[in-house]
Amino acid sequence: EMVMTQSPATLSVSPGERATLSCRASQSVSSNLAWYQQKPGQSPRLLIYGASTRATGIPARFSGSGSGTEFTLTISSLQSEDFAVYFCQHYNSWPLTFGGGTKVEIE
Amino acid sequence: QLQLQESGPGLVRPSETLSLTCTVSGGSISSSSYYWAWIRQPPGKGLEWIGSIYYSGSTFYNPSLKSRVIISVKMSKNQFSLNLSSVTAADTAVYYCARADVNNWFDPWGQGTLVAVSS
Repeated sequence: EMVMTQSPATLSVSPGERATLSCRASQSVSSNLAWYQQKPGQSPRLLIYGASTRATGIPARFSGSGSGTEFTLTISSLQSEDFAVYFCQHYNSWPLTFGGGTKVEIE
Repeated sequence: QLQLQESGPGLVRPSETLSLTCTVSGGSISSSSYYWAWIRQPPGKGLEWIGSIYYSGSTFYNPSLKSRVIISVKMSKNQFSLNLSSVTAADTAVYYCARADVNNWFDPWGQGTLVAVSS
């Protein structure tokens, strides 16, 4: 089973600053990686698929990069609505697995 | 706009079977372009994929749950269902249904339903 490891567990950032979140796969997943945002009491929302393609309606300040085993989600200038938990998920093979999440909080 | 809505009991007794239904509106569950999935999230924890079903009935399950899970489709009602047997307190979670692209990223998700396992 593919193990997805996200770091850091918590990221404290000031509004307007840049946030960089990492996701590492235990084996190569090529570019078969998605990112989701989850706010308290809400279901996850797809942000990125194919490691770098923004989903419909996702602002350009969200960008994804990487391939193989190392991936990054960057939020270029944090807005108040971006403080949330972010999960990565591989879909390279069965079973599908998620990372443990990174909480982005206000510094 | 596609919407998914989970329904089912909010409380299940230990050793019994958890049964949930996801009703899909705004699109057809018989589309060949998608899978239909169940994902769960224990309170305060991360996400766990339970399994997925294709419109043809082909199923894919998480090996950690495979012996206890059955996912099925009800085409006539545009629904798909989850049955998880022999539940314990460790199965307490918010259960989400979601549509999965054939490449298997999830979008959109239902609002989720909390299922507690307790006597």
